Amino acid sequence: DTEVTQTPKHLVMGMTNKKSLKCEQHMGHRAMYWYKQKAKKPPELMFVYSYEKLSINESVPSRFSPECPNSSLLNLHLHALQPEDSALYLCASSQQGAKDTEAFFGQGTRLTVV
Amino acid sequence: AQSVTQLGSHVSVSEGALVLLRCNYSSSVPPYLFWYVQYPNQGLQLLLKYTTGATLVKGINGFEAEFKKSETSFHLTKPSAHMSDAAEYFCAVTRAGNNRKLIWGLGTSLAVNP
Repeated sequence: DTEVTQTPKHLVMGMTNKKSLKCEQHMGHRAMYWYKQKAKKPPELMFVYSYEKLSINESVPSRFSPECPNSSLLNLHLHALQPEDSALYLCASSQQGAKDTEAFFGQGTRLTVV
Repeated sequence: AQSVTQLGSHVSVSEGALVLLRCNYSSSVPPYLFWYVQYPNQGLQLLLKYTTGATLVKGINGFEAEFKKSETSFHLTKPSAHMSDAAEYFCAVTRAGNNRKLIWGLGTSLAVNP
């Protein structure tokens, strides 16, 4: 199984809503990532979890709150978002510690903030 | 600091023609290089990667790339374009031991004309 599964595929939320994005992988990867991607742009790294601990936060606003409940799951909690936060949110995973591993990406959640 | 430059934000080829997507990088240490493809409304899929060893790397869907250290390049090629190759292509670089953080090029949008 080389899949990273993200749910939901599409999400529309108001600026006062609270929602969560979910990501799951069963490849035994111990590094997991959240990226934000605007149309026709490269993905922007938001957070990295290594062995279920947050290791990188790329100065992401606190209205985005990541969580890694276990080695297979990664969540992104959303609260009080702005319309400019509308984007494709991608989850990825990779082996931790391996020298030449690549990241495996999910299909993304298309988020629209209204 | 590492960086990636993809020459040509848009490339258009005829079906059956050679595909050449250019990627140049800068890195003060031996790089690990990746090409990812993103089809419309999809996540990113790894096409191929270079870490060490053979400089000509073969990937999925008939793509290959050659690592040329003297030219600091990692251009992506495919001998004969297919309509299904139309997508966004991203080149990315990281360094050994830091696979968590990819530096991305801005992407090249490939159009294939019948």
